[in-house]
Amino acid sequence: DTGVSQDPRHKITKRGQNVTFRCDPISEHNRLYWYRQTLGQGPEFLTYFQNEAQLEKSRLLSDRFSAERPKGSFSTLEIQRTEQGDSAMYLCASSETGVNTEAFFGQGTRLTVV
Amino acid sequence: AQTVTQSQPEMSVQEAETVTLSCTYDTSESDYYLFWYKQPPSRQMILVIRQEAYKQQNATENRFSVNFQKAAKSFSLKISDSQLGDAAMYFCAYSHQGAQKLVFGQGTRLTINP
Repeated sequence: DTGVSQDPRHKITKRGQNVTFRCDPISEHNRLYWYRQTLGQGPEFLTYFQNEAQLEKSRLLSDRFSAERPKGSFSTLEIQRTEQGDSAMYLCASSETGVNTEAFFGQGTRLTVV
Repeated sequence: AQTVTQSQPEMSVQEAETVTLSCTYDTSESDYYLFWYKQPPSRQMILVIRQEAYKQQNATENRFSVNFQKAAKSFSLKISDSQLGDAAMYFCAYSHQGAQKLVFGQGTRLTINP
């Protein structure tokens, strides 16, 4: 296993368009997390899944954002009607279940809304 | 809500010397986890070191060690014998439950001078 994989690595889109990102976690990891990182800031939690169940969503995740993990494996994050403020790095991480675990991060998808 | 503050946006150190990165946090919980993550340019975030709040002994990983002051809510990272490969953004992070829902600080950019 090569770790957490995210696709695409870079995305440039026009304001108002919809975009979808994909995350493939480490195969044996039950938990999957999405974070957003704007330039010069630390990552901010967006949402997380335990298998296919979305257990928590941040208030940062507006109605234009939706995340899925249909079969408890890969996950998608969709942003509808993108705005310039959505420009950021979107990070995915995964971990095993339990408290004494480590989150492994992907390289992220950098979104630029023009 | 929990917060994490890194008051040093940038730090630099001479190769082979020691540097300490500062972090303070705020929480009303008594049981939690603290982390230092390293984010090299254009590469994924990796875990450097982890501290469980219930453990009085400071965590150590090779050249990396922490000074955990629970009463002061302080969690600093010491890097000994700095190497060129240590150059990166370093993020302090908090979690109430292991790897879940990490709360990150703003980051400290560390430069290693040869």
